[in-house]
Amino acid sequence: GQQVMQIPQYQHVQEGEDFTTYCNSSTTLSNIQWYKQRPGGHPVFLIQLVKSGEVKKQKRLTFQFGEAKKNSSLHITATQTTDVGTYFCAGGLFTGTASKLTFGTGTRLQVTL
Amino acid sequence: DSGVTQTPKHLITATGQRVTLRCSPRSGDLSVYWYQQSLDQGLQFLIQYYNGEERAKGNILERFSAQQFPDLHSELNLSSLELGDSALYFCASSERGLYGYTFGSGTRLTVV
Repeated sequence: GQQVMQIPQYQHVQEGEDFTTYCNSSTTLSNIQWYKQRPGGHPVFLIQLVKSGEVKKQKRLTFQFGEAKKNSSLHITATQTTDVGTYFCAGGLFTGTASKLTFGTGTRLQVTL
Repeated sequence: DSGVTQTPKHLITATGQRVTLRCSPRSGDLSVYWYQQSLDQGLQFLIQYYNGEERAKGNILERFSAQQFPDLHSELNLSSLELGDSALYFCASSERGLYGYTFGSGTRLTVV
């Protein structure tokens, strides 16, 4: 079945450093979504990318969808302590009449002063 | 408040017991999804309902079942509970298809 892997599993950065997490799907996707889960919290939807090669920005966060629609990345510029949490990508696939969203394994980000 | 309501927030029960987790989706959302998240693990998809009908099944055990009612709220039933069933159970809803999901705050189940 479809698998969505993320690397790294964990990253610890100093505040102000940049951070990137990568997401790879075993199959071509219809879209990719990104979520953030703060410690002790629930996943919160950040963004959805649909088009091949699409790039979207949200303040310090930059999201990319690969040309082949099988990979994606999230880049955070100048991390802050508020960026702490686990970032999940989720690969979406339309299969005829049904749709399926497969969550990646997640990247846990720790930011220290 | 995300708009998705899950009850109860915490549940402690003994092995072999049965529990029911409840979810009210965000107003207007027809799709409900259930996920299991074990400690420091990813989100394992259990089951999806759309407007009362089961649409997709993931890695849901036979001891687990779910349904979505006419008012669109959903219940996840977990029976013959084992220690390994201890986890956070999230409900999420979406308008349809592959739109962004809105997650509830989860039910933390502890089986002792």
